[in-house]
Amino acid sequence: QLQLQESGPGLVKPSETLSLTCTVSGGSISSSSYYWGWIRQPPGKGLEWIGSIYYSGSTYYNPSLKSRVTISVDTSKNQFSLKLSSVTAADTAVYYCARRTTVTTVFDYWGQGTLVTVSS
Amino acid sequence: AIRMTQSPSSLSASTGDRVTITCRASQGISSYLAWYQQKPGKAPKLLIYAASTLQSGVPSRFSGSGSGTDFTLTISCLQSEDFATYYCQQYYSYPTFGQGTRLEIK
Repeated sequence: QLQLQESGPGLVKPSETLSLTCTVSGGSISSSSYYWGWIRQPPGKGLEWIGSIYYSGSTYYNPSLKSRVTISVDTSKNQFSLKLSSVTAADTAVYYCARRTTVTTVFDYWGQGTLVTVSS
Repeated sequence: AIRMTQSPSSLSASTGDRVTITCRASQGISSYLAWYQQKPGKAPKLLIYAASTLQSGVPSRFSGSGSGTDFTLTISCLQSEDFATYYCQQYYSYPTFGQGTRLEIK
């Protein structure tokens, strides 16, 4: 059974860089059938797609966040990572990693999510 | 960005009821629409993709329809486990989600 698990600091100071890693188990991140992505959800609010990456390293970002986002992949560790720079309180959210199929292009497997709070 | 607007924002219903949630796209998206269910403290769960295709393992009381700009999610006979928040998502362009519809017990 595929599992995705987010990890990283739960508290980040304003203006610093948020860094999270998603570890994939029960399947290979190097499969040509999937993209791997990040989605966030501010407390009590809706969902926002941050970006996705293919195992080859090709990336796709939300235009509204593109200037601050970097997503990378480490196939040797079956992991992919998110970096969001210059964070503010508006970046406080539950961050989910998810698998997106290349055929249907929907998010069919999700991690449990991790809350990241931006505060001094 | 393609804006997705769901209605209603919240809905009260009883077990056994039939409910319909609507999602409207700001421009045509063909059938590139998915529906997710989210329970408190949990990740969203994929229910339907391609507007009307049921994800494996999802009960048949869930159904979706629509194309272009107007879509609906219908739950034919509400069960207790269906009370949750529902989101639509388009993938015609880079993914965007509706604001959610909270389905509550009457």
